[in-house]
Amino acid sequence: GENVEQHPSTLSVQEGDSAVIKCTYSDSASNYFPWYKQELGKRPQLIIDIRSNVGEKKDQRIAVTLNKTAKHFSLHITETQPEDSAVYFCAARGGSYIPTFGRGTSLIVHP
Amino acid sequence: GAVVSQHPSWVICKSGTSVKIECRSLDFQATTMFWYRQFPKQSLMLMATSNEGSKATYEQGVEKDKFLINHASLTLSTLTVTSAHPEDSSFYICSARGNSDYEQYFGPGTRLTVT
Repeated sequence: GENVEQHPSTLSVQEGDSAVIKCTYSDSASNYFPWYKQELGKRPQLIIDIRSNVGEKKDQRIAVTLNKTAKHFSLHITETQPEDSAVYFCAARGGSYIPTFGRGTSLIVHP
Repeated sequence: GAVVSQHPSWVICKSGTSVKIECRSLDFQATTMFWYRQFPKQSLMLMATSNEGSKATYEQGVEKDKFLINHASLTLSTLTVTSAHPEDSSFYICSARGNSDYEQYFGPGTRLTVT
């Protein structure tokens, strides 16, 4: 089955800095890679996703890049703000149509 | 966007009793629903996947006789924790996916505490 590794587990940045979270996956058949943001005690919310036919996707301060050859994808947040503080999960969905989640990254943005 | 509700949002029950959690897709038909369990500061652990009208597929290590899942309609799935024990205390989250094979939407979660 699919195996997703996510790093780092914790990321602390100053407000205004950029944050990068990286994930790798094992199943070369995976074709859909969503990113979720989860605030404490709340549901995970989809913030951006990318499909395997695209190398990069951007939405305002958030971007995701995908390297299919290396089987890794990354989330980039620019000009971070305190409200970006949360746990971020990557996921990869392959031939089973069931997404596999990474372990999560706790992002802390210091004002 | 698509909305998924979950009820109750929190429940406290005594050891040995059963608890039912409902997951509803409010504005779309959910052909597939997922049930997750999440411990504090940990990732989402998939418990089972259910398709409307068929039996749920449980992940390895999840007791299907303890965690009963019913997906009787395209808008409702239920998870029943039978004979609950304190170690079943956790945050249970459902998610639903429609006809699109991509996006899945999460419910707000249910905090279960077994005393």
